[in-house]
Amino acid sequence: DAGVIQSPRHEVTEMGQEVTLRCKPISGHDYLFWYRQTMMRGLELLIYFNNNVPIDDSGMPEDRFSAKMPNASFSTLKIQPSEPRDSAVYFCASSKAVMELFFGSGTQLSVL
Amino acid sequence: AQSVAQPEDQVNVAEGNPLTVKCTYSVSGNPYLFWYVQYPNRGLQFLLKYITGDNLVKGSYGFEAEFNKSQTSFHLKKPSALVSDSALYFCAVRGRGYQKVTFGTGTKLQVIP
Repeated sequence: DAGVIQSPRHEVTEMGQEVTLRCKPISGHDYLFWYRQTMMRGLELLIYFNNNVPIDDSGMPEDRFSAKMPNASFSTLKIQPSEPRDSAVYFCASSKAVMELFFGSGTQLSVL
Repeated sequence: AQSVAQPEDQVNVAEGNPLTVKCTYSVSGNPYLFWYVQYPNRGLQFLLKYITGDNLVKGSYGFEAEFNKSQTSFHLKKPSALVSDSALYFCAVRGRGYQKVTFGTGTKLQVIP
């Protein structure tokens, strides 16, 4: 298996633009997590899905953030409109049941 | 609510010496506990986990961790540190029946040649 695949690897955009981050989890995994990592706040859980259903989105900063998982092999995290404070590394991770998480390589987002 | 504490932002150890990275947790019921490592510009990589059974868990790259229920701790250890072990280490907890995974703030391990 190729592992968790995230795209793009880097994203540079201007304030106010829409940003879409993509994730393909490992086949057979039933949990998918979106995390954000910054120096100041560390690793923050934004939202997670179980069997494509959002379970807990209490970590989503505000209404500008939304996430979807239309099927078992694809998820998106969208920021609209983006702001400079959204600059961070965004990780997607998946797991089978309550076992360990497998992380993607992350998307480095810079909002100018 | 569940939580994880990593009390040391950074741990420095000489190459060849034993290392310990500390972790304590808070969760309802019996926990699932994990350690991950992150190298610069990379995602987190799984090192080891405690699910049940033996309190001493062995993982990748010679690392091990000891689960102590009475102290609610899950410290990461290695008998002899390598310079290549220098990285950021995260402890995580996942409560049984509670699917959310909570990570600690991370501990930077610096192994000095």
